[in-house]
Amino acid sequence: RKEVEQDPGPFNVPEGATVAFNCTYSNSASQSFFWYRQDCRKEPKLLMSVYSSGNEDGRFTAQLNRASQYISLLIRDSKLSDSATYLCVVNDDMRFGAGTRLTVKP
Amino acid sequence: DTGVSQNPRHKITKRGQNVTFRCDPISEHNRLYWYRQTLGQGPEFLTYFQNEAQLEKSRLLSDRFSAERPKGSFSTLEIQRTEQGDSAMYLCASSPGIVGGYTFGSGTRLTVV
Repeated sequence: RKEVEQDPGPFNVPEGATVAFNCTYSNSASQSFFWYRQDCRKEPKLLMSVYSSGNEDGRFTAQLNRASQYISLLIRDSKLSDSATYLCVVNDDMRFGAGTRLTVKP
Repeated sequence: DTGVSQNPRHKITKRGQNVTFRCDPISEHNRLYWYRQTLGQGPEFLTYFQNEAQLEKSRLLSDRFSAERPKGSFSTLEIQRTEQGDSAMYLCASSPGIVGGYTFGSGTRLTVV
């Protein structure tokens, strides 16, 4: 089993839709998780941390489920500009998922 | 400090040649990471430093790859006897510690012909 797994997508959604991505991890001792956004041919950029209690930043919500060993990212009211690849990382292990590609269409 | 800087941005080399990339991290970050990324994949961990100490190397990193971080500042990644399979984007990132998120440089795109 890969250390960090993501559904590669692509997810094609209309503007205004709500979309959610999951990321599973294998190391049950992991403590630190992040979501990154990567635009085509650019470097990944930090989107948000994932806290145990869940956290929200505008239209974005990140959650952690330790029992099932996954983290999630929810995007509400999606915009065209949200089109990108979303990467999760288990910081303790320094391992990234392969990324989930999102395309938001008008 | 404008972030993580990587040089060169692009490198085309012939198979069998040696190449060296440089990364200048954010100055107050003591952790520095090297990743490799190919099209459609996530960043693949290569190695990381805490200050000048190289603490972990991926088993994917063959003996043709070597990285250094003298004095805990900038880092270099050298690939000897390059192969076509080494063609990829090489990303450097730094962080203030284990709990901090990474800041990535723009990467060095290597093409081996």
